Amino acid sequence: NAGVTQTPKFQVLKTGQSMTLQCAQDMNHEYMSWYRQDPGMGLRLIHYSVGAGITDQGEVPNGYNVSRSTTEDFPLRLLSAAPSQTSVYFCASRPAAKNIQYFGAGTRLSVL
Amino acid sequence: AQSVTQLDSHVSVSEGTPVLLRCNYSSSYSPSLFWYVQHPNKGLQLLLKYTSAATLVKGINGFEAEFKKSETSFHLTKPSAHMSDAAEYFCVVSPNFGNEKLTFGTGTRLTIIP
Repeated sequence: NAGVTQTPKFQVLKTGQSMTLQCAQDMNHEYMSWYRQDPGMGLRLIHYSVGAGITDQGEVPNGYNVSRSTTEDFPLRLLSAAPSQTSVYFCASRPAAKNIQYFGAGTRLSVL
Repeated sequence: AQSVTQLDSHVSVSEGTPVLLRCNYSSSYSPSLFWYVQHPNKGLQLLLKYTSAATLVKGINGFEAEFKKSETSFHLTKPSAHMSDAAEYFCVVSPNFGNEKLTFGTGTRLTIIP
């Protein structure tokens, strides 16, 4: 039982490059979310999805795109990376009937 | 609106002594409250949750927390610290069931002194 799997674990980008952070869960959870973690600020919600084909913005959505074509996958896209997007990114999922988030191990992203 | 304040950014205790991590919240409705733990280079793991049932909540690894509405607090305690408890702890508030817009505290780093 893998739970929530994030790839890659580490990534270095140059300003202006694009990339996709992958998130997959094998628990058949309806809800999935992306957070960023910055020093001294806790976790902040970027985007979330309540089911395949449905996404919504969180607290800090600018510069990020998401889509949810399947229940299992919820990729986060950076179209033009900026140094301000240097952070640790966490993906989480939860079942609709239970208010408990399950987190992946995170992706550490540096934008130079 | 909701917010969470973790009153200590860093707590150090000796192994075998009690742990107290403090959390105050504000919410305009009855909240759900959580404590998560993050070990170095790992994801977040749920320790315990409060969802308007018993005010004293027991979690994993001997941790517990008490919801005090009059004090708007949800402090995390453990009677005897273990070296493996060294980690970052986050207090989290959720406005209601099914809302994804969790609000995280800024975290408390717990150091255990041998």
